[in-house]
Amino acid sequence: QKEVEQNSGPLSVPEGAIASLNCTYSDRGSQSFFWYRQYSGKSPELIMFIYSNGDKEDGRFTAQLNKASQYVSLLIRDSQPSDSATYLCAVNEDMRFGAGTRLTVKP
Amino acid sequence: DADVTQTPRNRITKTGKRIMLECSQTKGHDRMYWYRQDPGLGLRLIYYSFDVKDINKGEISDGYSVSRQAQAKFSLSLESAIPNQTALYFCATSDLTTTGAEGYTFGSGTRLTVV
Repeated sequence: QKEVEQNSGPLSVPEGAIASLNCTYSDRGSQSFFWYRQYSGKSPELIMFIYSNGDKEDGRFTAQLNKASQYVSLLIRDSQPSDSATYLCAVNEDMRFGAGTRLTVKP
Repeated sequence: DADVTQTPRNRITKTGKRIMLECSQTKGHDRMYWYRQDPGLGLRLIYYSFDVKDINKGEISDGYSVSRQAQAKFSLSLESAIPNQTALYFCATSDLTTTGAEGYTFGSGTRLTVV
């Protein structure tokens, strides 16, 4: 059974802090990884993808991938209240999603 | 207009009724998916289709069927709805490019309640 696991949270950080979201996956052959943001009552929207080991930065977001340890993480710098949402990790080949981590950024 | 359109947005139906959820897309993507989302369980794959003639079961296909009428249309049917099929249903599309698989574009979702 292929699994994608995330801490459900909630994760609460103060405004301006770094939020760190983690995801582990069981299929060692997985190659592509995605992070989605989902506001309450809305559909998920893609915010980051990463294929290679290491870091990938896009604005305030950094995705980190470690295939040897089978984890992928998302860092959000200078967190804003508008970042409050549920963040979903997905492994593309398996078409599987984690259950999501709910993030709250407090002003 | 939205890239991925789902109809209806909300539906309440009775146990035992047949219901169809529809999805259409203007992205030109070959790959289409149906997921359901339940609190605490995340998104679970029901069916997926990589082209018009390719239909595959996902993790939780029992009680569901699909039809890929055209590249742009992918419908999900519940032949005899039961209360534990109450959930939020999402259609999604994606593409495969020379740089690798792209992420999904989701529809707005259909909130289905079976009473």
